[in-house]
Amino acid sequence: AQSVAQPEDQVNVAEGNPLTVKCTYSVSGNPYLFWYVQYPNRGLQFLLKYITGDNLVKGSYGFEAEFNKSQTSFHLKKPSALVSDSALYFCAVRDGASGGGADGLTFGKGTHLIIQP
Amino acid sequence: NAGVTQTPKFQVLKTGQSMTLQCAQDMNHNSMYWYRQDPGMGLRLIYYSASEGTTDKGEVPNGYNVSRLNKREFSLRLESAAPSQTSVYFCASSAKGGRRMKSEKLFFGSGTQLSVL
Repeated sequence: AQSVAQPEDQVNVAEGNPLTVKCTYSVSGNPYLFWYVQYPNRGLQFLLKYITGDNLVKGSYGFEAEFNKSQTSFHLKKPSALVSDSALYFCAVRDGASGGGADGLTFGKGTHLIIQP
Repeated sequence: NAGVTQTPKFQVLKTGQSMTLQCAQDMNHNSMYWYRQDPGMGLRLIYYSASEGTTDKGEVPNGYNVSRLNKREFSLRLESAAPSQTSVYFCASSAKGGRRMKSEKLFFGSGTQLSVL
């Protein structure tokens, strides 16, 4: 069975500092990894995904994520945080060896990112 | 460009009442999904439709039914609401269906906040 863990319920970062939101996963095949962001009273928005190729993936709003196969991690990063980055962030994983379909996508519990002015 | 539109935004029901949540997308997407979001639990898939005319159960289908009315519309019905169904419900869509769903990003509606008393 596949799983994804976001070990921090909340991350606090001062504006202008680098930020990291952690995600680890477990799948039997090759992972398809996603990050989504949810602003208050809104639906989730896609940030970036890793399917194959370069381990550093660049996405929307200046975010990037680093895929590390040996550590089974896919941490979300940004070099300089903005107050407007404050939101709920979800990591999600799908097992590339599965038959496909939405039932193969597992979301983490989410991490609240708070950027302090 | 509306994207994914859900109605209603808020709803309060009494135990045993029924209701239908409506969802429509204008992106000509093949696949549509219903998720529920509960605090500390991330998103869980209720039902999905890989293509017009097909529906499949997700992780938590009990107490729900769905209808893929046409390519644009995917409704979720609660036949006899229970307090355990108090949640925020999200509809989502993605461009491709079948095995090609694996790498697809999801587009979400803004959600329906449902309370069952």
